[in-house]
Amino acid sequence: NAGVTQTPKFRVLKTGQSMTLLCAQDMNHEYMYWYRQDPGMGLRLIHYSVGEGTTAKGEVPDGYNVSRLKKQNFLLGLESAAPSQTSVYFCASSPTRREQYFGPGTRLTVT
Amino acid sequence: AQKITQTQPGMFVQEKEAVTLDCTYDTSDQSYGLFWYKQPSSGEMIFLIYQGSYDEQNATEGRYSLNFQKARKSANLVISASQLGDSAMYFCAMSSVYGNKLVFGAGTILRVKS
Repeated sequence: NAGVTQTPKFRVLKTGQSMTLLCAQDMNHEYMYWYRQDPGMGLRLIHYSVGEGTTAKGEVPDGYNVSRLKKQNFLLGLESAAPSQTSVYFCASSPTRREQYFGPGTRLTVT
Repeated sequence: AQKITQTQPGMFVQEKEAVTLDCTYDTSDQSYGLFWYKQPSSGEMIFLIYQGSYDEQNATEGRYSLNFQKARKSANLVISASQLGDSAMYFCAMSSVYGNKLVFGAGTILRVKS
């Protein structure tokens, strides 16, 4: 039982490049989330999903897209990376309205 | 909109003593959840404790307890018998009714002194 995993762990992009972050959970959770954490701040919600095939915008969705084609996977895409997207990205999943289970994070640097 | 405020950027506590980390929240929802997470220097987010808005008793999990005062909209975390391993960033968070989305505070850095 791996819990929530994120791929990759680190990535450096140049401005304008694109990439996809993969989040996978093996706990059969309905809800999945993508957050970003900037220095000195708490996590902010980018996008979330309440079930397979559904997605919704969070607090800071601009510049990101997501897809949830399979229940266990939640993908976060950056079509044209900008330095302002330099951050640590966390994926999380939850079964109900209780606690969310977080992945280890992906550290992304955009130069 | 929901908002979480953590007014203590940093705290120090002596090993084996108790410490309280403050959290106040603002919401117009009647039903909501309150959470505390720990983030050590390694970066992972570790769930500590949960309090539902309709729970009559304060939540406790081992050395962690949540002092929930609904009228004051506060949800302070109390750590008893602090250990060196408690040194970390602590985040208070609130969940919404739909989708269980979390809103986080800015965090409090706790340093435990030996």
